[in-house]
Amino acid sequence: AQSVTQLGSHVSVSEGALVLLRCNYSSSVPPYLFWYVQYPNQGLQLLLKYTTGATLVKGINGFEAEFKKSETSFHLTKPSAHMSDAAEYFCAVSVRDYKLSFGAGTTVTVRA
Amino acid sequence: SQTIHQWPATLVQPVGSPLSLECTVEGTSNPNLYWYRQAAGRGLQLLFYSVGIGQISSEVPQNLSASRPQDRQFILSSKKLLLSDSGFYLCAWTVGASGYTFGSGTRLTVV
Repeated sequence: AQSVTQLGSHVSVSEGALVLLRCNYSSSVPPYLFWYVQYPNQGLQLLLKYTTGATLVKGINGFEAEFKKSETSFHLTKPSAHMSDAAEYFCAVSVRDYKLSFGAGTTVTVRA
Repeated sequence: SQTIHQWPATLVQPVGSPLSLECTVEGTSNPNLYWYRQAAGRGLQLLFYSVGIGQISSEVPQNLSASRPQDRQFILSSKKLLLSDSGFYLCAWTVGASGYTFGSGTRLTVV
């Protein structure tokens, strides 16, 4: 079965600084990988996804992630944090059955 | 366009009362449908998923059940709620590997 580990339950960054959220996955077959964002009391919104093809994936709101098979990683980055990036972020993995397994989540706070 | 509707947004129910949460999808056919629960300070737990009308798979044993009476309708139910059923319930759909689209969620508090 596939699984996801998100390193760090809380990340605090200054406005304008780099945002880096770490995600490692475990899967016996080539995975599909996703990052979602959740604002308080709302559903999850898809930021970006990797299925096949280019390993550097660009998403919404200036986020991007790189699939590194050798490291089994799919870290999420944004060059310059904005106050509106404060939210909870979830990494997720699925295989051919399309059921998503989520990481425990990382809460991002942005300091002015 | 494809949309997903989930209601109600918030619900306060006494212990032992029944539950019915509904989710409907528009703009797509034969989606895979999912119910997740997010308990306070915890991640997302897959409760049920469905690949077609009347086809329900349960991921964890619990006090809840699910039904899919129509292609784009997914219902989460309970006959008697427990305190431990409190949480944020999310419905989602997908077609293929496109990733889930989530509803806006239902905050359930059992008192």
